[in-house]
Amino acid sequence: DGGITQSPKYLFRKEGQNVTLSCEQNLNHDAMYWYRQDPGQGLRLIYYSQIVNDFQKGDIAEGYSVSREKKESFPLTVTSAQKNPTAFYLCASSSGIANYGYTFGSGTRLTVV
Amino acid sequence: EDQVTQSPEALRLQEGESSSLNCSYTVSGLRGLFWYRQDPGKGPEFLFTLYSAGEEKEKERLKATLTKKESFLHITAPKPEDSATYLCAVQGTSGTYKYIFGTGTRLKVLA
Repeated sequence: DGGITQSPKYLFRKEGQNVTLSCEQNLNHDAMYWYRQDPGQGLRLIYYSQIVNDFQKGDIAEGYSVSREKKESFPLTVTSAQKNPTAFYLCASSSGIANYGYTFGSGTRLTVV
Repeated sequence: EDQVTQSPEALRLQEGESSSLNCSYTVSGLRGLFWYRQDPGKGPEFLFTLYSAGEEKEKERLKATLTKKESFLHITAPKPEDSATYLCAVQGTSGTYKYIFGTGTRLKVLA
């Protein structure tokens, strides 16, 4: 079945450590997105990519980095510069056609220890 | 500035008690309005897309409607399995595919 796979489901980060969240899709979608979800707030866009080897900053890109070397993959690195990284991270993809909305992964919960 | 406001924040219903969730939006030009369902600890699941005022979409006990300023998600005779957070998002016509999400309505249906 087609879908988006995020891993790991839970991730713990120590102070000063970089961590990478994986996102893989087999939907043949061109566009991929990373969102952060915090309690009481709407989903906030971190980065998005509409084509391989190209990506743009979203609203809260500081302290994060991404790459898009393959159409299927869009990993997110949370760097030590991100001062408040504890959150639920969601990866999504779309065909670029608004009709079908986004397909989301199941999320990664990141906690700073 | 594009904005989405959902109300109420939380809603408790008895099984079979119909109600509506509201999504008010401000956007320079509407490309689409989207409804999603999100269960705890999981990613949102796509429900509907609406494009123009007067449009309606239905799926089982859910019906979404759209006006020029707001959308409603009507839940008819809900069941406990309808308990979830319902998210609304809008996509404007200002160049990118960026969505603006509301904070959601947490629905609890009691048996």
